[in-house]
This record gives sequence, C-alpha cells and structure tokens, in this order.
Amino acid sequence: TQLLEQSPQFLSIQEGENLTVYCNSSSVFSSLQWYRQEPGEGPVLLVTVVTGGEVKKLKRLTFQFGDARKDSSLHITAAQPGDTGLYLCAGGNDGSSNTGKLIFGQGTTLQVKP
Amino acid sequence: EPEVTQTPSHQVTQMGQEVILRCVPISNHLYFYWYRQILGQKVEFLVSFYNNEISEKSEIFDDQFSVERPDGSNFTLKIRSTKLEDSAMYFCASSESTSGGGEQFFGPGTRLTVL
Repeated sequence: TQLLEQSPQFLSIQEGENLTVYCNSSSVFSSLQWYRQEPGEGPVLLVTVVTGGEVKKLKRLTFQFGDARKDSSLHITAAQPGDTGLYLCAGGNDGSSNTGKLIFGQGTTLQVKP
Repeated sequence: EPEVTQTPSHQVTQMGQEVILRCVPISNHLYFYWYRQILGQKVEFLVSFYNNEISEKSEIFDDQFSVERPDGSNFTLKIRSTKLEDSAMYFCASSESTSGGGEQFFGPGTRLTVL
C-alpha cells in the first residue's frame, strides 16, 4: 500500500517568513500533485510535477520533486496571510493499469499571521 | 473557466436511507472520480470511472455504493443504505487523461450528514 506522509501537520508563522512543507513516501510515484484546500471547499490544484528532480515555481511558491520520485517539497517565500490554508500532496501512478487514482497525504495546515 | 460542479452542497439523511450525490464534470474530460474526506482525516479515493465503467474502486466502495453516468453530463454516486460512518465530504473530480500526471480538478464537495 502506497502512503504519503506530510510534515509538519501544522505550521503557524509570521508574515514575511519562509517555510517548507514536505511530502514523503517509501514508494515511487509517477507524478505528484499539490493542492490547496479552503475550509468547506474542494482541493484546488496548484501544480503537478512528473520528472525526478523537477522544480516548478508559482509566484512565491516553489515545488520540487525528489530525484527518486519518492518525495516532494513546497517552499513558500515571504509568506502572506493570504497563503493561509490546508496544503495537500497527492501521488499518482502511470502504467498499463493507471486508473488515475490519487493517494493523498494528510495535509499541512498553514496559518500566516499578519 | 470550466469547473466541476456538485449538488447538493449539503445533504442530511437518516441512517438506512438512500442518497444520490450529483456531479457535472468538466465537459471535455473523460475520467471521473469520487473521493471522500471524513472530518479531520485524509482525502480518500473511492472510485474511478472511464468509458462507462468502473476502472478501479477502493475497499471503502462496497456493495452499498454505485456510480453512474446517466447522460452525457452528469456523474452520480449512490449510497443505498447510509450508515453513520458515511458522514463525510464527498468530492467529485475529473481529468482529461490519467498519464503524465493527469491533472484532476475537484468540485466543491457535498457534505453528507447521516443521523
């Protein structure tokens, strides 16, 4: 059974600080997707990484896929109160039996205080 | 911008009753999914659906659950006889493909409360 573990589970920081959220597994994934979820809403896709070592940037957010495709990180530079929310990583697998099933981590709740 | 929609946003039902949760996926997407999220827990995969049949289902998706695409636009999840433990947020998602990180787009969810 493939599992994704996110750390930390909770993070409370001051506006302007940097932070990194980690998503780790003992299994290889073909792709890793990062989502942000607001209370009472569905996850909103931020980015997908598919190549080992890949780095993608989305404004102040930097996403990296580990070389072995077992882990990923999300780094936020100069966090702002608007970044507050639940961040989820989700892994997918290609292959002949690929059904699109995503396996989610438990999420990291980020609070950015003004 | 195209989006996945779900109805109702909140459903309250008595234990043992049947419920149908409805979703309208993004129109050019071919792959459809249901996930659920019990309060405070992870998002869990329930089922994937392609070409009018289930392609994969989880252990959660037992005989009480079924999915259907009754027409060209709707995708439904039916729970025949609800249990207290079925109380959760249910999310529908859709994607164009499943390879190369087939990006899934989620609806806003239906909060199901079983009393």
